Amino acid sequence: AQSVTQPDIHITVSEGASLELRCNYSYGATPYLFWYVQSPGQGLQLLLKYFSGDTLVQGIKGFEAEFKRSQSSFNLRKPSVHWSDAAEYFCAVGADTDKLIFGTGTRLQVFP
Amino acid sequence: EAQVTQNPRYLITVTGKKLTVTCSQNMNHEYMSWYRQDPGLGLRQIYYSMNVEVTDKGDVPEGYKVSRKEKRNFPLILESPSPNQTSLYFCASSLWGGEAFFGQGTRLTVV
Repeated sequence: AQSVTQPDIHITVSEGASLELRCNYSYGATPYLFWYVQSPGQGLQLLLKYFSGDTLVQGIKGFEAEFKRSQSSFNLRKPSVHWSDAAEYFCAVGADTDKLIFGTGTRLQVFP
Repeated sequence: EAQVTQNPRYLITVTGKKLTVTCSQNMNHEYMSWYRQDPGLGLRQIYYSMNVEVTDKGDVPEGYKVSRKEKRNFPLILESPSPNQTSLYFCASSLWGGEAFFGQGTRLTVV
């Protein structure tokens, strides 16, 4: 069965530090992969997506993610975190019926 | 502006009182779905619809109903709400490929 694992429930970083949020998936075929961000009291906003091609994808707000098939991973990165990046981040895999399967989320806290 | 609109944003109700949460999208998407979000569980799909008059169960459909009479609307119906349906609900729409656009969410409390 398809599944997504985000092993880090909560991450704290200092403003200006680099960030990596981990995501591992289980899926039989080539997956569609997504990262969404949810700011407090808001809906989910798409940060970036991977469908095929270049395994390093660029997204909005300076985020990028790398698809590594051998590791079944799609980790999200940002070289320098801003206070406004504090939010909850969800990794998701697109299944065969357009269904999205979400991880349990990683809450990012940013200290000044 | 492309958007998914849910109403209401907040709702407190009593056990057993039927309620409907509306969802409308203006992007002409065929695929729409409902999710609930609970702490530590992420988002779980309740129901989805691949087109008008075509709906199917997601992972947690018990206690919910949906309908898709028009392409743009996909209401979520709780015929007899119970406290375990207290949650944050999201409607989403998408084209093929799963890139979903989400509404702002409806926070439901059932007492």
